[in-house]
Amino acid sequence: NAGVMQNPRHLVRRRGQEARLRCSPMKGHSHVYWYRQLPEEGLKFMVYLQKENIIDESGMPKERFSAEFPKEGPSILRIQQVVRGDSAAYFCASSPLRTGSTDTQYFGPGTRLTVL
Amino acid sequence: AQSVTQLGSHVSVSEGALVLLRCNYSSSVPPYLFWYVQYPNQGLQLLLKYTSAATLVKGINGFEAEFKKSETSFHLTKPSAHMSDAAEYFCAVSGNTGFQKLVFGTGTRLLVSP
Repeated sequence: NAGVMQNPRHLVRRRGQEARLRCSPMKGHSHVYWYRQLPEEGLKFMVYLQKENIIDESGMPKERFSAEFPKEGPSILRIQQVVRGDSAAYFCASSPLRTGSTDTQYFGPGTRLTVL
Repeated sequence: AQSVTQLGSHVSVSEGALVLLRCNYSSSVPPYLFWYVQYPNQGLQLLLKYTSAATLVKGINGFEAEFKKSETSFHLTKPSAHMSDAAEYFCAVSGNTGFQKLVFGTGTRLLVSP
């Protein structure tokens, strides 16, 4: 059973370019979460999505960042016009559909974004 | 609101010694608590979780943690450290109903010397 997959593992962008990070959840999981880890810090929640729905985006920066989880295909975290402060590790996690309880989130290996 | 404090950004132990990583939490609702481990350039792996059943939780790789409500603590222990335990450890808290985002501590790096 494959785990959460993220690609690319490493991404280098110049200031002003766009970054697209992809996350494929574990088989049977329909909930996806994105977290950001800045250097020497813990992970910070960004957004929670279900298929075709954004459930909670309280941790997303108001500008330049967006996320989607289409009916088919991986979840995408998109960062427009990247700046040096966006350099971080971005982790995706997934959990199964299970109503009425808080379920364990399983993490992918992360995408390490470097902005030059 | 929820928060996690991990005391000690670095902990050094000798191989075979007791491992103790400290975690204190703050939560306005009954919490779920988690310990994750992160090896270099890898994602987070769940070690164990507390979900309001037994207060002493056993996890993988010989780790365990005890939920102490009176002390708002969830410290992680292992009786005997192994070289392969060297990694970053994160404590996290969430609420206990529906979706609750994980709130992480800043992490503790465990160093194990021979």
